[in-house]
Amino acid sequence: AQSVAQPEDQVNVAEGNPLTVKCTYSVSGNPYLFWYVQYPNRGLQFLLKYITGDNLVKGSYGFEAEFNKSQTSFHLKKPSALVSDSALYFCAVRVRPASGTYKYIFGTGTRLKVLA
Amino acid sequence: NAGVTQTPKFQVLKTGQSMTLQCAQDMNHEYMSWYRQDPGMGLRLIHYSVGAGITDQGEVPNGYNVSRSTTEDFPLRLLSAAPSQTSVYFCASRSGTSGGPSYEQYFGPGTRLTVT
Repeated sequence: AQSVAQPEDQVNVAEGNPLTVKCTYSVSGNPYLFWYVQYPNRGLQFLLKYITGDNLVKGSYGFEAEFNKSQTSFHLKKPSALVSDSALYFCAVRVRPASGTYKYIFGTGTRLKVLA
Repeated sequence: NAGVTQTPKFQVLKTGQSMTLQCAQDMNHEYMSWYRQDPGMGLRLIHYSVGAGITDQGEVPNGYNVSRSTTEDFPLRLLSAAPSQTSVYFCASRSGTSGGPSYEQYFGPGTRLTVT
């Protein structure tokens, strides 16, 4: 079955340290991968996507993600975390079901806490 | 651009009541979707639409109806509310083939629904 997994419910990191939020996927064909961020009581905001090309994708707010085809991973990274980065992060993948149009499957989310 | 708007922000229903959650977008997006967000389960697709007059079921469609009479609006109807439908509901839109697909979705601020 096509799926996306975020193995960590929560990630804690000290302000100024690098952060990584993990995502792995299982899809047939070439994956279209996304990261979204959700601040409290808000909708999801798009951060970045991988469609094709360079494996390192840069996005909003200084975030980047590395696509690794052999490990089927798309981890979100930032060189230096800010307290304001504290939020809920979702990985998503576009899938083509047996019938119908493309759909998007979301991971269960990882709560990032950046400690001052 | 207002983006994706949702009303109401909060709603409390009694079991068996019906209601409609409103969603509108002003970006002329072809694709619109409804998701529900539950703790530990990420976002799950309820229904989606690839254009005016075309709708289809997602992962968890039971108990919900949708229609798409215009490009802008995509209301979600709860036919007979149940406590299991207590959740946060998000509407999302994205561009389709016209104007070039962007693949990423734009989310509304959400409707928090409680069914007692």
